[in-house]
Amino acid sequence: AQTVTQSQPEMSVQEAETVTLSCTYDTSESNYYLFWYKQPPSRQMILVIRQEAYKQQNATENRFSVNFQKAAKSFSLKISDSQLGDTAMYFCAFIDPGGKIIFGKGTRLHILP
Amino acid sequence: DVKVTQSSRYLVKRTGEKVFLECVQDMDHENMFWYRQDPGLGLRLIYFSYDVKMKEKGDIPEGYSVSREKKERFSLILESASTNQTSMYLCASSFWPGGINYGYTFGSGTRLTVV
Repeated sequence: AQTVTQSQPEMSVQEAETVTLSCTYDTSESNYYLFWYKQPPSRQMILVIRQEAYKQQNATENRFSVNFQKAAKSFSLKISDSQLGDTAMYFCAFIDPGGKIIFGKGTRLHILP
Repeated sequence: DVKVTQSSRYLVKRTGEKVFLECVQDMDHENMFWYRQDPGLGLRLIYFSYDVKMKEKGDIPEGYSVSREKKERFSLILESASTNQTSMYLCASSFWPGGINYGYTFGSGTRLTVV
């Protein structure tokens, strides 16, 4: 069975610091997609970043970047120059070739002023 | 901007009532999904649909049914609401042009309380 594990239930960092959220997954598939979603207190799930497993280059979106280690089945999210608006629940997600998405349990991130 | 709209943000219903949660997307997506989100349990898939009039059970379908009569609309039905169905319900849609997956677009959620 495919699983996604986020080992950090909750984290706090000071504004402007860099923070890394961990995610590991388990699959026997070779072709799949990985995502990080953000859910702020407003509850809307927002796509932060997306990675295709067949691409070795790590995805980046402005202050957000990933460290994708396919052999280790690791997909961590780095937030640089963190801002108060980054406070949210972050979910790591895996989509298999059939399109089924599996979410981790989430990491609650607090950015402190 | 693409949108998934859930008709109610908050809903309070009585035990035994039939409850309809509506979800509409304006992106012409083939695939639509219903999740419930509970603290400590994350998101759990209730039902999904890959096409009009088509439905598939997810991981926790018991006590729920769905309807997809039109491509843009996917309704979740609680036949007889119970207190253990008090939860946050999230609708999502997706499509895979050329087999490339761009992820899911989510609605803003419906917080349902069953009393």
